[in-house]
Amino acid sequence: AQSVSQHNHHVILSEAASLELGCNYSYGGTVNLFWYVQYPGQHLQLLLKYFSGDPLVKGIKGFEAEFIKSKFSFNLRKPSVQWSDTAEYFCAVNGGLGNTPLVFGKGTRLSVIA
Amino acid sequence: GAVVSQHPSWVICKSGTSVKIECRSLDFQATTMFWYRQFPKQSLMLMATSNEGSKATYEQGVEKDKFLINHASLTLSTLTVTSAHPEDSSFYICSARSQASSYEQYFGPGTRLTVT
Repeated sequence: AQSVSQHNHHVILSEAASLELGCNYSYGGTVNLFWYVQYPGQHLQLLLKYFSGDPLVKGIKGFEAEFIKSKFSFNLRKPSVQWSDTAEYFCAVNGGLGNTPLVFGKGTRLSVIA
Repeated sequence: GAVVSQHPSWVICKSGTSVKIECRSLDFQATTMFWYRQFPKQSLMLMATSNEGSKATYEQGVEKDKFLINHASLTLSTLTVTSAHPEDSSFYICSARSQASSYEQYFGPGTRLTVT
């Protein structure tokens, strides 16, 4: 069965600090990987996704993620966070054919302070 | 982009009553829809997967007689919480996958259910 681990429950950063949120998955075959963001009181929004090809994926709002197959990881990064990045971040995975539902990690709450 | 709507956005009901939540794909045909549940400050837990015209497949531990799912058309799925109890209070989120993009799921805004 697929599973997703997000190591950090709550991350607190000052504005302009760099961000890296960890995500590891467990799955026996090829995978599709996603990062979603949920701003307070709002619904899930897709930040970026990886299906195949270049393992370094660039998403919206300056976020990027790198798929490292040997480490089963898909960490999310941003060079300089802003106060408006305060939100809950979820890593998710489904099987390579895309015919299985997304499985989510527990989420990481990011608080950016001025 | 693909848009998924849910109705209602929030609902309060009395214990013992039933509540129906609608999920619609507005600008695409959804061959598969998913229902998730999210407790406060927690992740999304998959409840069930439904394919248009077929019975839903429920995840382990989800009571199919309590959470009735109907996927009658390619643009509409409904979740009915029957005989609701306070412990059913939660945030219910639907997601839809289109025929055109089988890898990606599009999420609705969610429905907050409070059972008193």
